[in-house]
Amino acid sequence: GAVVSQHPSWVICKSGTSVKIECRSLDFQATTMFWYRQFPKQSLMLMATSNEGSKATYEQGVEKDKFLINHASLTLSTLTVTSAHPEDSSFYICSATRRLNTEAFFGQGTRLTVV
Amino acid sequence: AQSVTQLGSHVSVSEGALVLLRCNYSSSVPPYLFWYVQYPNQGLQLLLKYTTGATLVKGINGFEAEFKKSETSFHLTKPSAHMSDAAEYFCAVSGIFGNEKLTFGTGTRLTIIP
Repeated sequence: GAVVSQHPSWVICKSGTSVKIECRSLDFQATTMFWYRQFPKQSLMLMATSNEGSKATYEQGVEKDKFLINHASLTLSTLTVTSAHPEDSSFYICSATRRLNTEAFFGQGTRLTVV
Repeated sequence: AQSVTQLGSHVSVSEGALVLLRCNYSSSVPPYLFWYVQYPNQGLQLLLKYTTGATLVKGINGFEAEFKKSETSFHLTKPSAHMSDAAEYFCAVSGIFGNEKLTFGTGTRLTIIP
């Protein structure tokens, strides 16, 4: 099956700094990538949808200036959490889909802790 | 608009017993339905999916689910639980193309009792 690699798997940063999370499709071209956020013992909430070469579409309530998404190529999307605060601590998961395929492939997730 | 309801945030079954995880959906278009499993601090792994055709869908690890349009349900079952089945399970729905954004249920934590 298709593989999506997410890096780093965990990161601890100081409040006020920025953190970048990478999501790569290793063996296929991802036409669309999705970024989710998951709080402890809760479901996944979609943050944004990104298509290669175009601006990301953010879900209602998600600050686009705080959560910067770049989808510069068909195999890489990045999520940058700017000026992170403790309330941004969460589990972030990306997924990728390819054209004419009915399945989303998920990365391993990134545990972000802001101290 | 689409939504998913998973009844029971926690389900406990004995090893060897039947596993039944419930999922009901709401969708304004013919849905594509998915079940995912998540182990602690990991991403999601697809168990099975329904797109079109046969309503009884078989997945990995002995799981299966049946799409019942009249009941708007997509319950997940496994005849005999194994200790390794302990995990969080998510039901999800997407639009008609299947590769659109997923709407997830709140999840069901499955505990297996030895």
